[in-house]
Amino acid sequence: DIQMTQSPSSLSASVGARVTITCRASQDISNSLAWYQQKPGKAPKLLLYDASTLESGVPSKFSGSGSGTYYTLTITSLQPEDFATYYCQQYNKSPWTFGRGTRVEIK
Amino acid sequence: QVQLQQSGPGLVKPSQTLSLTCTISGDSVSSNSAAWNWIRQSPSRGLEWLGRTYYRANWFHNYAVSVERRTTISSDTSKNQFSLQLRSLTPEDTAVYYCAREVPMTGIRAFDFWGQGIVVTVSS
Repeated sequence: DIQMTQSPSSLSASVGARVTITCRASQDISNSLAWYQQKPGKAPKLLLYDASTLESGVPSKFSGSGSGTYYTLTITSLQPEDFATYYCQQYNKSPWTFGRGTRVEIK
Repeated sequence: QVQLQQSGPGLVKPSQTLSLTCTISGDSVSSNSAAWNWIRQSPSRGLEWLGRTYYRANWFHNYAVSVERRTTISSDTSKNQFSLQLRSLTPEDTAVYYCAREVPMTGIRAFDFWGQGIVVTVSS
């Protein structure tokens, strides 16, 4: 199985800050990567797929980049509703696998 | 708007079988472009994809190797539902179980609509 390693596992940031989360795959996943946001007690919400394509209805403050084994999710101008846990997921090779998450907390 | 409504028990005894159902509205289980998945989440294992079913002139199923021997995913077109059966449960199967739709675009195995999740506890 492809292992997905996210870093950091948690971070604290202020409202208005810009944050970057990284996701590293154990092998080349050819941009077959999605990012999700999850709030407590809720299902994950799809933010981006194909590493950088924004899902319909998701604000452009979320952006993704990367290639090969290394990918990033950037969130600009953090707002209170953005404090959540973020997950990456690869779908290049079955079984589709997820990172362990990055918790974004208010500083 | 696609909605997925899950149903099933919250407590199951060890060695028994878990049966969960996901009822679809706003799409069809026999869609030629969508696929219907089961995913679970636990503190110990994180988010774990379990398997999927989809229709492309015939029904197809894919399972994660970790659960393949004891998992069946099926569909009921008359009720527009799909279901998960997980057999021989152990406490390690305790998790929140989600159903989810794959983005209906070729090659995109990301999940755009999710059920509400059901907390399943395996305990005697």
